[in-house]
Amino acid sequence: QKEVEQDPGPLSVPEGAIVSLNCTYSNSAFQYFMWYRQYSRKGPELLMYTYSSGNKEDGRFTAQVDKSSKYISLFIRDSQPSDSATYLCAMSGRAGNMLTFGGGTRLMVKP
Amino acid sequence: DTEVTQTPKHLVMGMTNKKSLKCEQHMGHRAMYWYKQKAKKPPELMFVYSYEKLSINESVPSRFSPECPNSSLLNLHLHALQPEDSALYLCASSQDTPLAGGRTDTQYFGPGTRLTVL
Repeated sequence: QKEVEQDPGPLSVPEGAIVSLNCTYSNSAFQYFMWYRQYSRKGPELLMYTYSSGNKEDGRFTAQVDKSSKYISLFIRDSQPSDSATYLCAMSGRAGNMLTFGGGTRLMVKP
Repeated sequence: DTEVTQTPKHLVMGMTNKKSLKCEQHMGHRAMYWYKQKAKKPPELMFVYSYEKLSINESVPSRFSPECPNSSLLNLHLHALQPEDSALYLCASSQDTPLAGGRTDTQYFGPGTRLTVL
C-alpha cells in the first residue's frame, strides 16, 4: 500500500461545476499538507498549504484536512477550463521528513 | 517572487554525451532539490542541497552528478545516460531545509527540463 493514495482520474466536469479532489494517507506523522497544480509538461505550482487539521480558503479553492480520518480534500468552485491540469497532493511530517506525493489526479473542465 | 528558473527547457542527448541542467532561484532559499518525473507519475526526489551542501542522495546512479556552486544555483551534470533516463527533471527550492519543518520547507518548483536520451 502506498503512503499517499490519490485517484488518478481523469475527472471530467462541466465548466462552473464544483470539483472535489481527495487524498488518503496512512502515516499519522504527516502534519503539513499541500496541493500542487501541474499543467502538461510544466513544473508543479503550489496552490494551497495547510498545517494540521482544518480548512483553508483562497479564492475559488478550499483545502480541508481531516487528520482523524487521514483524508485531505481540495475543492474548486466555479471550475474553469483553465483549471484543467493534474493536481498533486503532497505531505510531510515532523522536521526531517521529505515531501511524499500522491500519484496525481487529472482534471478536465469542459466548456 | 516565487520563481525558480531552469535551463534548457528541452534537451536531446545521445548516450555518450555530457550535458548539464541548470537551476536558479533568487528568493534567498537555502535548500534546493532535484526531482525526476516520468509521464503520469509524481516527482521522485533525487538530491537535496542544504546550505550548499549535499544532504540527501536518494541512491541515484553516478551518471547523475549534482553541483551547487552557490546558494542561488544548482546544476545537474549528466554523463552516459540511458534511454530510460528520459523524463522531466524538476528543480525546487525552499526557504529552509526539511530539518527545520513547518512553513519554511514548502517547496517551489521550476518549469522543468524535458530530457530525451537517444
